[in-house]
Order: sequence, then C-alpha cells, then structure tokens
Amino acid sequence: DAKTTQPNSMESNEEEPVHLPCNHSTISGTDYIHWYRQLPSQGPEYVIHGLTSNVNNRMASLAIAEDRKSSTLILHRATLRDAAVYYCISNNLFFGTGTRLTVIP
Amino acid sequence: DGGITQSPKYLFRKEGQNVTLSCEQNLNHDAMYWYRQDPGQGLRLIYYSQIVNDFQKGDIAEGYSVSREKKESFPLTVTSAQKNPTAFYLCASSSLAGESYNEQFFGPGTRLTVL
Repeated sequence: DAKTTQPNSMESNEEEPVHLPCNHSTISGTDYIHWYRQLPSQGPEYVIHGLTSNVNNRMASLAIAEDRKSSTLILHRATLRDAAVYYCISNNLFFGTGTRLTVIP
Repeated sequence: DGGITQSPKYLFRKEGQNVTLSCEQNLNHDAMYWYRQDPGQGLRLIYYSQIVNDFQKGDIAEGYSVSREKKESFPLTVTSAQKNPTAFYLCASSSLAGESYNEQFFGPGTRLTVL
C-alpha cells in the first residue's frame, strides 16, 4: 500500500510562507495526492489535491515533483488560524501521522 | 444543509459493553469510512464501504464491526473484544469509491471513553 512520510512538526512565523513536505515514493501512477488539515477535536478538512501538475486554490498551493515521489504544500502567508495538523495521503484511504504546524505570532 | 452527522459527541461506557456509534450522511455519497484517532496520533482506518451491503477491513478492524444497510448510514460497533477502545472516532464519506481524486468529508467525531 502506498504510504507517506512527513516531518512530525514544523514552525512558521505569522505572515511568512510555509512549505510542508511529503514523501510518497511508492505512489502508483494513478493515485492522486491529497492534503487535509485537522484542528483540535475536529474532523479533518480537505485542503487541496493533485496528480501531476502544480495546483492552486484559495487555501494553498501544491507543488508535485516531476517523478511524483514527493510533494510540498505551500501556505503563502501563514496565519494563526493555519495552526493545525496537516496530512498528506497518496490514496484516499491511508492517512499518515501528519505534520503539526505551529504558527508563531 | 448537506453533511455528515455523528452522534453522540461524547460517549461513556463500562468495560465489557458493546457500543454503537452512529454516522449518517445526506450527501448521496457512495463510500463511507471509519477512522480511529488516539491522542497525538494520526488517523487509522477501521472499516470502509464502497456500496450498500458491502464493506472491507482497514488497518485495525479487530474488535470492531460495521453494517451498511442503507446508503446514508454506516454505524460502527465497538465490541468487548476491542482491548483499548477509548479514542476519538471519525466517520467520513466520499462521492466515488475507488477514485482517488475524490475528497473525503468528515463528521465532527465521537469521543468514546471506556471506564
């Protein structure tokens, strides 16, 4: 099964860009890359997804490596409301442990 | 409003009792999922269902059972065989099972505490 690896935690200053990495070296050619985030005591919420090309939406950008073995979620200007656990999954069933993002005022 | 509801939000049970967690969705989604989350940990898949009257085991199905008699409903029973059932349980649904580009919508979760 395709699994992902992410750093356990990262910090960012408020209003600075944040780059959250994810490795998915066993991803299959047809699996999309999804990112979700979870606030304390809530269910995860969808952030963004992509297959091969870089993607942008109102919440974030997703940069996918050419070999698709890794991707990076980019928050262009971190706010305190972005403090959460971010999950990268390479199919729709298996979540990893995620990266806990701390935003420093 | 469309969405996923889980009830109750908090649930307390005595050790050795079975307990059933409710999950209902009105999004007309085909697939539904149950996850378990322990403090400070990620989500682990318990069971998932792609169609009515069919479901598959996830990573940690032992001690749990599910049913999918209706498209809208996917209840999870935590049995007495589950050795450490205290956890946060999350239900999710998505529109097309097996299509990896479809986002999962999550419910608010049920926090189960076994005394």
